[in-house]
Amino acid sequence: DGGITQSPKYLFRKEGQNVTLSCEQNLNHDAMYWYRQDPGQGLRLIYYSQIVNDFQKGDIAEGYSVSREKKESFPLTVTSAQKNPTAFYLCASSARSTAYGYTFGSGTRLTVV
Amino acid sequence: DQQVKQNSPSLSVQEGRISILNCDYTNSMFDYFLWYKKYPAEGPTFLISISSIKDKNEDGRFTVFLNKSAKHLSLHIVPSQPGDSAVYFCAASPNTPLVFGKGTRLSVIA
Repeated sequence: DGGITQSPKYLFRKEGQNVTLSCEQNLNHDAMYWYRQDPGQGLRLIYYSQIVNDFQKGDIAEGYSVSREKKESFPLTVTSAQKNPTAFYLCASSARSTAYGYTFGSGTRLTVV
Repeated sequence: DQQVKQNSPSLSVQEGRISILNCDYTNSMFDYFLWYKKYPAEGPTFLISISSIKDKNEDGRFTVFLNKSAKHLSLHIVPSQPGDSAVYFCAASPNTPLVFGKGTRLSVIA
């Protein structure tokens, strides 16, 4: 079955450490996205990529980095520069036209202690 | 500057009654609108969508209405069921990444 997989489901890290969240899709979608959800804040766009080897900053890119070396994969690194990294992170993918909407992964809950 | 606004953070409805969730937008270039449903600790799932060339779209218990002159859309759920309790996000498509509202938490009380 086609889908989008985020791993791990829960992640704990010490303050000051970088951490990478995995996102893989087998939907043959061109575009992939990372969102962050905080209580009362909705879904805020971190980074997106519409094609391999190219990506753009979203609204809250500071403290994050991404790569898009393969169509299927779009990992997100939360760096030590991110001031408030504890959040629920969602990855999504879509066909080239966003008019058909996204398929979301099940999310990764990152807790930094 | 929010382009998609869901002004009600929460809504409580009795089981069997109608739930109406509202969404306003500011960008007249938006041409496609979607509603997503999200349970805690899960990814959002697509619920229903509407193109700007229509003013209504129905799918079972779910109907979305679009009023372009008012830049307003609403999601009607009839009848509401306890399993509908979730956060609902409105999203708009301008052919760049989807723009999401902050969500409305719906609680359906048995």
